[in-house]
Amino acid sequence: NAGVTQTPKFRILKIGQSMTLQCTQDMNHNYMYWYRQDPGMGLKLIYYSVGAGITDKGEVPNGYNVSRSTTEDFPLRLELAAPSQTSVYFCASSADRTNSPLHFGNGTRLTVT
Amino acid sequence: RKEVEQDPGPFNVPEGATVAFNCTYSNSASQSFFWYRQDCRKEPKLLMSVYSSGNEDGRFTAQLNRASQYISLLIRDSKLSDSATYLCVVIRSRYGGSQGNLIFGKGTKLSVKP
Repeated sequence: NAGVTQTPKFRILKIGQSMTLQCTQDMNHNYMYWYRQDPGMGLKLIYYSVGAGITDKGEVPNGYNVSRSTTEDFPLRLELAAPSQTSVYFCASSADRTNSPLHFGNGTRLTVT
Repeated sequence: RKEVEQDPGPFNVPEGATVAFNCTYSNSASQSFFWYRQDCRKEPKLLMSVYSSGNEDGRFTAQLNRASQYISLLIRDSKLSDSATYLCVVIRSRYGGSQGNLIFGKGTKLSVKP
């Protein structure tokens, strides 16, 4: 019963490098989300998707891109990594828009130096 | 005023104590409510949904007061393992703004001491 799976768990990037954070879910959820959480702070929404082919910006989208080609996968792309993107990234999914809770992946801990 | 507000704590309580957290929300069109638990450096995990009639799960009781626009979480007989940050989540009935339709509180930190 995998739920939401994120890879990698940890990554160190140099300034200016790029990477893709992978997220996949096996619950057939239409709604998927990317959040970041800085130390001691709350969750901030980066991007979300309401179904395959549909994505929208959240609160802090700058420096990130997403795609949603399938129901299962929702990768997050960082272009030109900056130290301000050092954070823990959580992917989440839910079954519907208003009544269902979020299921979170284990997170990706990213450091940009 | 923030859409969802929680007392950040920390709440420092002895084992066996009863502790209660409140979470207020400002959007009267909010539809669904949840409590999550987040351990240090881990992902948030669903603790319980909050229903209008109130609901209980073992030592945990959640209540919703729509008239006053708050939800509460009561933990009885606190255990050391209850030490964590407790997040409330409010779901709006429609998307609006950059937060999508799920609004997270910033969390209340609980520390249970021996």
